[in-house]
Amino acid sequence: NAGVMQNPRHLVRRRGQEARLRCSPMKGHSHVYWYRQLPEEGLKFMVYLQKENIIDESGMPKERFSAEFPKEGPSILRIQQVVRGDSAAYFCASSPAGLGYGYTFGSGTRLTVV
Amino acid sequence: DQQVKQNSPSLSVQEGRISILNCDYTNSMFDYFLWYKKYPAEGPTFLISISSIKDKNEDGRFTVFLNKSAKHLSLHIVPSQPGDSAVYFCAASARNAGNMLTFGGGTRLMVKP
Repeated sequence: NAGVMQNPRHLVRRRGQEARLRCSPMKGHSHVYWYRQLPEEGLKFMVYLQKENIIDESGMPKERFSAEFPKEGPSILRIQQVVRGDSAAYFCASSPAGLGYGYTFGSGTRLTVV
Repeated sequence: DQQVKQNSPSLSVQEGRISILNCDYTNSMFDYFLWYKKYPAEGPTFLISISSIKDKNEDGRFTVFLNKSAKHLSLHIVPSQPGDSAVYFCAASARNAGNMLTFGGGTRLMVKP
């Protein structure tokens, strides 16, 4: 009974490199959400996707960040040309449909930019 | 613009006593509220929720109270156990905002044996 799987758990990137974070939702879940937690802060919504569709990206920085959830395979959060301020824990959640109370979170990817 | 606030960054309680974690919100469109528990190096885990049509929801040792007029909710844990030591986040959602959750900054609860 696999939950939401995120990999890698830890990712170290040098400034200017690209970071790719992967998220496989729970079986039967068709909705994926990405949240970011900066040090000593709460989780901040980034983007909400269904298969092949971005539903809400109101929390995504305008530049360097993109997300996709293809028909096959995991959801990917991509950060281009990373900067130190991108260092954070990135959490993915999935839900079967509809409402926020159906969320299940993954264990997160901790991105460190050096 | 913090729409959900947890004003106490930390709380220390003796084992067996009650823990009360508080959360305030400003957006009157929020109609569903949740509490998540988070251990270090893990993702948040859903704990308990409440709809705005209720003022109380209970699940075992956990009870959530909602005061809509004050835009305030609280989580009561009784009796508190050392295993309850974690960071607790309250979150809120609004029907017109789709499935997005707005989180508070978290309260670190320490239950001392």
